[in-house]
Amino acid sequence: GENVEQHPSTLSVQEGDSAVIKCTYSDSASNYFPWYKQELGKRPQLIIDIRSNVGEKKDQRIAVTLNKTAKHFSLHITETQPEDSAVYFCAASLYNDMRFGAGTRLTVKP
Amino acid sequence: DAGVTQSPTHLIKTRGQHVTLRCSPISGHKSVSWYQQVLGQGPQFIFQYYEKEERGRGNFPDRFSARQFPNYSSELNVNALLLGDSALYLCASSLGTTGYSYGYTFGSGTRLTVV
Repeated sequence: GENVEQHPSTLSVQEGDSAVIKCTYSDSASNYFPWYKQELGKRPQLIIDIRSNVGEKKDQRIAVTLNKTAKHFSLHITETQPEDSAVYFCAASLYNDMRFGAGTRLTVKP
Repeated sequence: DAGVTQSPTHLIKTRGQHVTLRCSPISGHKSVSWYQQVLGQGPQFIFQYYEKEERGRGNFPDRFSARQFPNYSSELNVNALLLGDSALYLCASSLGTTGYSYGYTFGSGTRLTVV
């Protein structure tokens, strides 16, 4: 089955800097790659997703890139703000189940 | 416009007991998936139901079961609770069965503590 690895497990940046989180997946057939943000005690919220027919997608300060050949995808957050502090999860799926990475705790220091 | 609703929000049970968790998907969504999130880890897939039929099952023991009702709401049942079942149980709602086509929206979860 699919296996998703996520790095780093913790990331601390200064406000205004960029943050990059990387994930690799094992099943080359996976075709859907969402990113979720989870604040303490709250539900995971979809922040951006990318499908296998696209190499890059951007939404304001957030972008995701997908390299199908290398089987990895990355989340890029620019101009980070303290409210970006949370745990971020990547996931990969083919059919009906999503396999999640272990999460990255992002801290943005003011 | 209601999102995905789960009940109860918190629950404390004793080892060996049984528990039932409930989920109502977004109106018009026919698919419900269940995930277990242990503290400090990513969610793990348990089940997906679509049109009242099981469409997928993760690597969980038979103590875990689920069903979907004609109104597309769903129940997750866990028998013979173990301490290791303590987790946040998340329900994800979707129009269809694949993330590629429809994406998923999570509910706020049920925090289950087994003592």
